Amino acid sequence: DADVTQTPRNRITKTGKRIMLECSQTKGHDRMYWYRQDPGLGLQLIYYSFDVKDINKGEISDGYSVSRQAQAKFSLSLESAIPNQTALYFCATSDPPGQGTDTQYFGPGTRLTVL
Amino acid sequence: ELKVEQNPLFLSMQEGKNYTIYCNYSTTSDRLYWYRQDPGKSLESLFVLLSNGAVKQEGRLMASLDTKARLSTLHITAAVHDLSATYFCAVDGSGGSNYKLTFGKGTLLTVNP
Repeated sequence: DADVTQTPRNRITKTGKRIMLECSQTKGHDRMYWYRQDPGLGLQLIYYSFDVKDINKGEISDGYSVSRQAQAKFSLSLESAIPNQTALYFCATSDPPGQGTDTQYFGPGTRLTVL
Repeated sequence: ELKVEQNPLFLSMQEGKNYTIYCNYSTTSDRLYWYRQDPGKSLESLFVLLSNGAVKQEGRLMASLDTKARLSTLHITAAVHDLSATYFCAVDGSGGSNYKLTFGKGTLLTVNP
């Protein structure tokens, strides 16, 4: 079984709809992240969380919100989706620096299309 | 603001040839990561470079880090088709807390027979 899972894997929605992307992990990591990937732009950090009570905005948080329901679950919401939020969304997890492997592990991604 | 530039962005090479991908970044950091992404797939960690002068090798790929020059290189030796993918470097701009990775735009590598 995959260590980091995301649901749904693909989603098509309409402008103005609220949608939620979910991420679950079995790696036991405290740190979780949400990124979006646009063609030719690499990955950009949306939100990150160090534990259930510690959530922080990344570089492109406008239009997004998150919820850390448990150590293993981190959800990303688009309150009112707009077409320029069409992108590939990745969840990632990691240990704190100096513990474990010092890298982030990525989920399989969710392809979101907003019409 | 940390900026990470990769070049080239597109690389088409023949099997058996050598080439280097460059990753430059704009502010001090001594933590740099290389990832590989196959089309439609997730990112796979290749190398973690945590200090000046760090060198890591895996198969036909070798990565190095020069923190004084703010430069990392990913060298490909005797390329094979299976190396075709997009390669990203990412720099930790958090002062060592590993929570704010800034990614380059990626290098799309195509290895031709």
